[in-house]
Amino acid sequence: DTGVSQDPRHKITKRGQNVTFRCDPISEHNRLYWYRQTLGQGPEFLTYFQNEAQLEKSRLLSDRFSAERPKGSFSTLEIQRTEQGDSAMYLCATPSTGGGNEQFFGPGTRLTVL
Amino acid sequence: GESVGLHLPTLSVQEGDNSIINCAYSNSASDYFIWYKQESGKGPQFIIDIRSNMDKRQGQRVTVLLNKTVKHLSLQIAATQPGDSAVYFCAERMGGGADGLTFGKGTHLIIQP
Repeated sequence: DTGVSQDPRHKITKRGQNVTFRCDPISEHNRLYWYRQTLGQGPEFLTYFQNEAQLEKSRLLSDRFSAERPKGSFSTLEIQRTEQGDSAMYLCATPSTGGGNEQFFGPGTRLTVL
Repeated sequence: GESVGLHLPTLSVQEGDNSIINCAYSNSASDYFIWYKQESGKGPQFIIDIRSNMDKRQGQRVTVLLNKTVKHLSLQIAATQPGDSAVYFCAERMGGGADGLTFGKGTHLIIQP
């Protein structure tokens, strides 16, 4: 149990549709990270939050991607007008409760765009 | 380009043997490194980490070695077990303390019975 849940675990959508994924840390963390992982590759950093503030946006893949963390707890990642190239695993991570530098990942949301 | 990479995409070892997974990084300013294990269909699982001011760190059955001179990182797993079969990723922190991690492509470790 990494202390992070993600919903849904799997999402199949048609090209052009919008999708939204949710990340719920079990305990409070001031930082929260989003990554994308395509088949056969390592995770790729997208963005992160310090409480409600999104501190890094430049690595989001395009302006179709956006993320929010309105109350500093759960976070959502939205992809608008999905493309087949968006098919990937979307991972959320939070730091350790002990204040270390480790990042602990959730189980991910597997997106398939048809 | 990618700043963290792995030498071998697949490593096969006999159960009970020790395994060594290697990783090269290119960002000499990186100050923190992590090894993750990822099983099929799951998120990456933290194994062990090391700061750049150290050259060795040991955990339970795992040891990470850092050679900053040649920018090389390795993960040693002692007495491998079937449950060690997975893809292993090294990752480096991009800087600033709270930034995201840069991952390599991974090594698939296969444990032969």
